[in-house]
Amino acid sequence: GAVVSQHPSRVICKSGTSVKIECRSLDFQATTMFWYRQFPKQSLMLMATSNEGSKATYEQGVEKDKFLINHASLTLSTLTVTSAHPEDSSFYICSARGTSGSYNEQFFGPGTRLTVL
Amino acid sequence: AQSVTQLDSHVSVSEGTPVLLRCNYSSSYSPSLFWYVQHPNKGLQLLLKYTSAATLVKGINGFEAEFKKSETSFHLTKPSAHMSDAAEYFCVVTYSGGYQKVTFGTGTKLQVIP
Repeated sequence: GAVVSQHPSRVICKSGTSVKIECRSLDFQATTMFWYRQFPKQSLMLMATSNEGSKATYEQGVEKDKFLINHASLTLSTLTVTSAHPEDSSFYICSARGTSGSYNEQFFGPGTRLTVL
Repeated sequence: AQSVTQLDSHVSVSEGTPVLLRCNYSSSYSPSLFWYVQHPNKGLQLLLKYTSAATLVKGINGFEAEFKKSETSFHLTKPSAHMSDAAEYFCVVTYSGGYQKVTFGTGTKLQVIP
């Protein structure tokens, strides 16, 4: 099946610094990638949808200047958390949807756990 | 608009007994429905999916789900629980529209008692 990777799997940073998380589709081309965050013991909340070569579409309440998303190629999307604060600590998960095959299916990455001190 | 409701936040079963995790959905369009499992501190793994083919869907690890349009339900079942099934389970709905927004249920934590 289709594989999506995320890097890093775990990151700890100081308050005020920026953190970049990468999401890669390893064996397929992803025209659309999605970024989610998950707070402890809660469900996944969609943050934004990114299409290759265009600006991301952010969900209501998500600050686009704080969570920068770049989808520069069909296999890579990045999420940068700028000026991170402790309340940004969360589990961030990306997913990717391919250009062919099962149009509705998203393939999820393993997640990145961000801890801001 | 679409939504998905997982009726139980926590389900506890004994090892070897059946599992039932309930999910109801609402969607303005023909939905696609998925069940994902998440083990602690892990990402999501697809268990099974319904995309307008057979209404009884078989997935991995002995799980299956039945799409019932009249009841707007997509309950997940397994005949016999195993200790390794203990995890969080998410029901997910999307639809065959141009903008395929995915909506997650709030999750059901399955506990398996030895």
